[in-house]
Amino acid sequence: QVQLVASGGGVVQPGGSLRLSCEASGFSFSDYGMYWVRQAPGKGMEWVTFIRSDGSQQYYGDSVKGRFTIARDNSKKTLYLQMNSLRSEDTALYFCARDAREHNALRVLDQWGQGTMVTVSS
Amino acid sequence: DIQMTQSPSSVSASVGDRVTVTCRASQTIYTWLAWYQQTPGTAPKLLISEASTLQSGVPSRFSGSGSGTDFTLTISSLQPEDFATYFCQQANSFPLTFGGGTKVEIK
Repeated sequence: QVQLVASGGGVVQPGGSLRLSCEASGFSFSDYGMYWVRQAPGKGMEWVTFIRSDGSQQYYGDSVKGRFTIARDNSKKTLYLQMNSLRSEDTALYFCARDAREHNALRVLDQWGQGTMVTVSS
Repeated sequence: DIQMTQSPSSVSASVGDRVTVTCRASQTIYTWLAWYQQTPGTAPKLLISEASTLQSGVPSRFSGSGSGTDFTLTISSLQPEDFATYFCQQANSFPLTFGGGTKVEIK
């Protein structure tokens, strides 16, 4: 079955960096676009970023543009999120998720990982 | 950016009740709308895509409707496992945006 296992969260000081990983299994990872979505404590969902199946294009939300970088290694079936210049407002549970359609993104998230918590605090 | 306004933010209902959740987009998104269910401590689950397409394995008591800017998620007869938070998401264009969520609570 499809599994997405996110890791790498933790506590970091403002201005610091963190790299999240999401290991995929149970499907052909290289055929699907992938997302990071976050949920601040007690808040709704916020889309963070998307990467195409072949890694050729990325999209970012305005709140993270220039600070976060999404990447993928299809040979390792792993998605990454490099987070720099972290702020308190980046504190959230970060989910990785898969697009619902192979190759050409449908912009619908049909499989989600369990999330990894990032806390930005001094 | 397309704003998604979801209502109500919470609803109290009993097992067997019919529950309706509404989502409104700030501009037309045609039928590019998805609905998700999230229970505490778990990952969200996709229920409906393209406004009305029920995902495989989702019970038929869930249904979605609407097009343009106004959309509805209906649970025809609430079951104990349906007490959760539901949220919509526009899939028309990046940046993807979500509704604020509707918590369905036990009356």
